[in-house]
Amino acid sequence: QVRLVQSGAEVKKPGSSVKVSCKASGGTFSSYGIAWVRQAPGQGLEWMGQIIPIFGIAKSAQKFQGRVTITADASTSTAYMELNSLRSEDTAVFYCARIARTNWNPKQYDFYGLDVWGQGTSVTVSS
Amino acid sequence: EIVLAQSPGTLSLSPGERATLSCRTSQSVTSNSIAWYQQRPGQAPRLLIFGASSRATGIPDRFSGSGSGTDFTLTISRVGPEDFAVYYCQHYGSAPPITFGQGTRLDIK
Repeated sequence: QVRLVQSGAEVKKPGSSVKVSCKASGGTFSSYGIAWVRQAPGQGLEWMGQIIPIFGIAKSAQKFQGRVTITADASTSTAYMELNSLRSEDTAVFYCARIARTNWNPKQYDFYGLDVWGQGTSVTVSS
Repeated sequence: EIVLAQSPGTLSLSPGERATLSCRTSQSVTSNSIAWYQQRPGQAPRLLIFGASSRATGIPDRFSGSGSGTDFTLTISRVGPEDFAVYYCQHYGSAPPITFGQGTRLDIK
């Protein structure tokens, strides 16, 4: 059973950057995608972006464009999310999640959910 | 962009009661694009339902999903003590690929 194991909690200064990793344990990324989801304290889930590791194709939410970089190393089944120009509002728990779908044909596929989640990485931005 | 509106915001029930959670999309979507997640305090979300009505692996059959078009429902036939949590619906599509509802909190009455 594949697990996604994320890097540990971080405390950052405003204006700095944070890079969170997400490694598949007990398996590989195979042909799955990896999504990154942010959850501010007491708030809901917010999609930040995603990557298809076997293709290296990433996309990010408009809200984060220019500040977020999503990458992956398929050989080590590890995905990364780097967020720059941190501000206090970025204080949150960041999750990676596996996107399960039958294929990456943009027009015809079946979606089986975000079926495996990492444990979350807490990032605190404070001066 | 498709917007998902969940209702109610909070649902207060006693153990053993039936829970009905609603998710309405701003435009018609295909059923296979809708999923539901449960998030307990301090934990990561867990996939419950995909394709609007298919239970994920290991999910008890007291959880069921239904709906089509713009209206989708998650039903818990008899709420157990471990079911008190926040529930999110989610749409998968394009631009953006992933959108979540704001969540419904299921509280103990």
